Amino acid sequence: RKEVEQDPGPFNVPEGATVAFNCTYSNSASQSFFWYRQDCRKEPKLLMSVYSSGNEDGRFTAQLNRASQYISLLIRDSKLSDSATYLCVVSFSSASKIIFGSGTRLSIRP
Amino acid sequence: GAGVSQSPSNKVTEKGKDVELRCDPISGHTALYWYRQSLGQGLEFLIYFQGNSAPDKSGLPSDRFSAERTGGSVSTLTIQRTQQEDSAVYLCASAASSYEQYFGPGTRLTVT
Repeated sequence: RKEVEQDPGPFNVPEGATVAFNCTYSNSASQSFFWYRQDCRKEPKLLMSVYSSGNEDGRFTAQLNRASQYISLLIRDSKLSDSATYLCVVSFSSASKIIFGSGTRLSIRP
Repeated sequence: GAGVSQSPSNKVTEKGKDVELRCDPISGHTALYWYRQSLGQGLEFLIYFQGNSAPDKSGLPSDRFSAERTGGSVSTLTIQRTQQEDSAVYLCASAASSYEQYFGPGTRLTVT
């Protein structure tokens, strides 16, 4: 089993829709969680950290479920510019143990 | 402020040659990571530097790969005797204590 797993997608949704995807992790000692986005042929960029209580940044909401060992990302009122690959990132006991998921591709259609 | 920079942006080399890839992290960031990403694939961890501590080299795929970080700032990833399977985008990231990584634009390496 991979340490961090994501549905590769692609998720193809119309503009304005709400879309959500999850990421599961296998190590219960995981401490820090992040979502990154990566545009085609570009470097990953930090989208948001994920806090235990859940957090929101504009149209984006991230949640952590430690009991079931997953994090989620919800995008409301999706825009064409949201089309990208979303990477789930989990860190364990030390800063070097940072595991990137393989990403979920999201495509927003007009 | 300045982000992470990497050079060169593209490198084409012949099989068997050595290459050096450079990373300039964000000033003040104590952590520096190297990853590589093949087309359509996820990120593969290579090596991690934190301050003056010994680097975590656990992700280096073979002894042809090495990296150093001078003065706690600039880092160089060296690949000796390159092979075609080394072709990938090599990404560098730096982070402060929060583990939030900021990536450079990458070096696209093509081994012919």
